[in-house]
Amino acid sequence: DADVTQTPRNRITKTGKRIMLECSQTKGHDRMYWYRQDPGLGLRLIYYSFDVKDINKGEISDGYSVSRQAQAKFSLSLESAIPNQTALYFCATSDWDTQYFGPGTRLTVL
Amino acid sequence: AQSVTQPDIHITVSEGASLELRCNYSYGATPYLFWYVQSPGQGLQLLLKYFSGDTLVQGIKGFEAEFKRSQSSFNLRKPSVHWSDAAEYFCAVAGSGNTGKLIFGQGTTLQVKP
Repeated sequence: DADVTQTPRNRITKTGKRIMLECSQTKGHDRMYWYRQDPGLGLRLIYYSFDVKDINKGEISDGYSVSRQAQAKFSLSLESAIPNQTALYFCATSDWDTQYFGPGTRLTVL
Repeated sequence: AQSVTQPDIHITVSEGASLELRCNYSYGATPYLFWYVQSPGQGLQLLLKYFSGDTLVQGIKGFEAEFKRSQSSFNLRKPSVHWSDAAEYFCAVAGSGNTGKLIFGQGTTLQVKP
């Protein structure tokens, strides 16, 4: 089984809809992250969490929110999706020095 | 502010040829440096990392990278490329205090010709 799983893997939604992307990890790490990937821009950090009670904004948090339900679960929400949030979204978890990535969720906002 | 630049967006090499992917970083203190590979439809896999010590680091799949502080570079190399190496490669930097926040470069797409 994969160490970091993301659901759904693909999602098409409409402008204005609320959507949640979920991430679970079995590595036992405290730190978790959400990134988005856009062509030519690499990965950019949306939110990160160092433990259940410690959540921080990243580089591009506007339009997103997160919830850390447990050490193993970190969800990303788009409260009102817009087309420029169409991207590939990655969850990651880390020990003190190395990040491990999930397979990604491809989100399309029409 | 920290930043990472990968000057080559797309590189094509012949199978069996050598490979070098460039990475330049901007960071005031000692950086933590990483190379990740993303195969089509997959997440990112760590190839190698540099924190301190020997400036030539070995990674998985036959890759190596050399940290050159004077040039602010951390270039990735492989002596003989295989068709399965076709993928997108990302260089990333983290602060030496290791907050865990990675700054990624734009990525380099590697195409391998038979």
